Amino acid sequence: GEDVEQSLFLSVREGDSSVINCTYTDSSSTYLYWYKQEPGAGLQLLTYIFSNMDMKQDQRLTVLLNKKDKHLSLRIADTQTGDSAIYFCAADGGYNQGGKLIFGQGTELSVKP
Amino acid sequence: EPEVTQTPSHQVTQMGQEVILRCVPISNHLYFYWYRQILGQKVEFLVSFYNNEISEKSEIFDDQFSVERPDGSNFTLKIRSTKLEDSAMYFCASSEGSHEQFFGPGTRLTVL
Repeated sequence: GEDVEQSLFLSVREGDSSVINCTYTDSSSTYLYWYKQEPGAGLQLLTYIFSNMDMKQDQRLTVLLNKKDKHLSLRIADTQTGDSAIYFCAADGGYNQGGKLIFGQGTELSVKP
Repeated sequence: EPEVTQTPSHQVTQMGQEVILRCVPISNHLYFYWYRQILGQKVEFLVSFYNNEISEKSEIFDDQFSVERPDGSNFTLKIRSTKLEDSAMYFCASSEGSHEQFFGPGTRLTVL
């Protein structure tokens, strides 16, 4: 079945850019997502990208998709201490899969002042 | 801003007991989902629901699990006879179309 993988930890200084990487295996995924989870909270949808796009920018967030390599990244510009959280990459199961999402294990972002 | 809500936030039960986890999806959404996250593991898809029937379910979603939309606002997950390995955080999600899912805060289920 489909698998989604992420590195577990990333530590950056406040004001730097953060880049969180993700790889997935199913080329039929239509949408790829980034979710944020703060302690004790649910999964907050940050952004998503359609599989026929290479890049999507939304304020401080930039998503890059390399469909050939099945690689997705999330860049957070000017990272703030409030960005400290766990970031999950997710891929849908492709057409006619009932909308199920397959998640990576999450990357814990630590932002140091 | 509309949000998905879930109750209770924490449920403790004895092995073999039935539990019902409740969710109120965003009001104009048509697609509903349950996921779970066992401590230290990935978030796993359980089931999706549209037009009053299951669209897709995972291998985890066996005969012990069922979902229901008993009225116009609630979406429930029932586990008939809980096992120790059912202990997890259970997330409900909803979407207007078939993507862009919005998640609730989760219910932590502890089976003793």
